[in-house]
Amino acid sequence: GAVVSQHPSWVICKSGTSVKIECRSLDFQATTMFWYRQFPKQSLMLMATSNEGSKATYEQGVEKDKFLINHASLTLSTLTVTSAHPEDSSFYICSAREEGGLSYEQYFGPGTRLTVT
Amino acid sequence: KQEVTQIPAALSVPEGENLVLNCSFTDSAIYNLQWFRQDPGKGLTSLLLIQSSQREQTSGRLNASLDKSSGRSTLYIAASQPGDSATYLCAVRYGGSQGNLIFGKGTKLSVKP
Repeated sequence: GAVVSQHPSWVICKSGTSVKIECRSLDFQATTMFWYRQFPKQSLMLMATSNEGSKATYEQGVEKDKFLINHASLTLSTLTVTSAHPEDSSFYICSAREEGGLSYEQYFGPGTRLTVT
Repeated sequence: KQEVTQIPAALSVPEGENLVLNCSFTDSAIYNLQWFRQDPGKGLTSLLLIQSSQREQTSGRLNASLDKSSGRSTLYIAASQPGDSATYLCAVRYGGSQGNLIFGKGTKLSVKP
């Protein structure tokens, strides 16, 4: 089946620094990738949708200048949390959609645990 | 507002029991509904996907049903095993094949040996 990887799996950073999370589709091309955030015991909340080669579309309430998304190739999207604060600590999950075919199914990465101290 | 609710939030059962997880959604105009499994600190594994025109889907010991008119889906797990322990998420897609998924908060299942 289609595999999505994320790197790193966990990261600790100091308040005020920036951290980049990578999302890769390993065996398929994904023109669309999604970034979700999940707080403990909460739903996955969609942050933004990115399409290869174009600007990401952010959900209401998500600061695009703080959460920078780059989808430079058909297999790689990155999320950069700029000037991180403790309230940005969360579990970030990316998802990639395999284009073509009938299902348009989304495949999810294993997630990245971000802790801001 | 389109919302997805899962009940119960947590469930603990002895090994071997059959169990039902519930999912309800406020807007019945769904495109499809999907059940996922999430292990602690891990990503999501898709279990079953039901299209809006379907009533149920089965995979091994799992059976998911969909009643679109009443805004409900159930995930039935037969003969539960300790390895089934995980959080089960229900997600609904609106707006066609490229619409966004709206997730419930999940049901945390613990199967005791």
